[in-house]
Amino acid sequence: AQRVTQPEKLLSVFKGAPVELKCNYSYSGSPELFWYVQYSRQRLQLLLRHISRESIKGFTADLNKGETSFHLKKPFAQEEDSAMYYCALEDNAGNMLTFGGGTRLMVKP
Amino acid sequence: DGGITQSPKYLFRKEGQNVTLSCEQNLNHDAMYWYRQDPGQGLRLIYYSQIVNDFQKGDIAEGYSVSREKKESFPLTVTSAQKNPTAFYLCASSIINNYGYTFGSGTRLTVV
Repeated sequence: AQRVTQPEKLLSVFKGAPVELKCNYSYSGSPELFWYVQYSRQRLQLLLRHISRESIKGFTADLNKGETSFHLKKPFAQEEDSAMYYCALEDNAGNMLTFGGGTRLMVKP
Repeated sequence: DGGITQSPKYLFRKEGQNVTLSCEQNLNHDAMYWYRQDPGQGLRLIYYSQIVNDFQKGDIAEGYSVSREKKESFPLTVTSAQKNPTAFYLCASSIINNYGYTFGSGTRLTVV
């Protein structure tokens, strides 16, 4: 069975500092990985997916199959980045996502 | 305006009662999902459905039931058998193999 682990429940940084939200996964197949974000009083929404190799709001994430990781990074954090971030893995059998426990990012002024 | 709508936003239930949470989408998505969100535990899958009149149990289906009579609707019933129903419930939908979910705004259920 697949599993997604986000080791940090809370990450607090100052504005302008680099940010790395960690995500590790276990899955026997070829994974599809995502980051979802939930801002205060807003819906959970897709931030980025690894197959797109895109940068959204300055965030990037690289899939490292050797380390089974998909860490989310941003070089300079902004206060508006404060939110709850979830890493998720999609299995090959269907369209079902398994989520990690989430990391709350707080960016202080 | 396309989207996914959950109602009600807040729901209070007495112990021993069944309650039904509504989830409707007009996105023409094939698949729909119910997740439970608890602090520190992330999102856990309760049930999902990829086609009308068919659904599958997720990781924590005990004490819950669903139906999928229409493509647009996927209601979740929290039964009295669910031992700890107080939680935030999220519904989502997607096009199969399209790599991304659209989430509703959630229903917060409290047992009183």
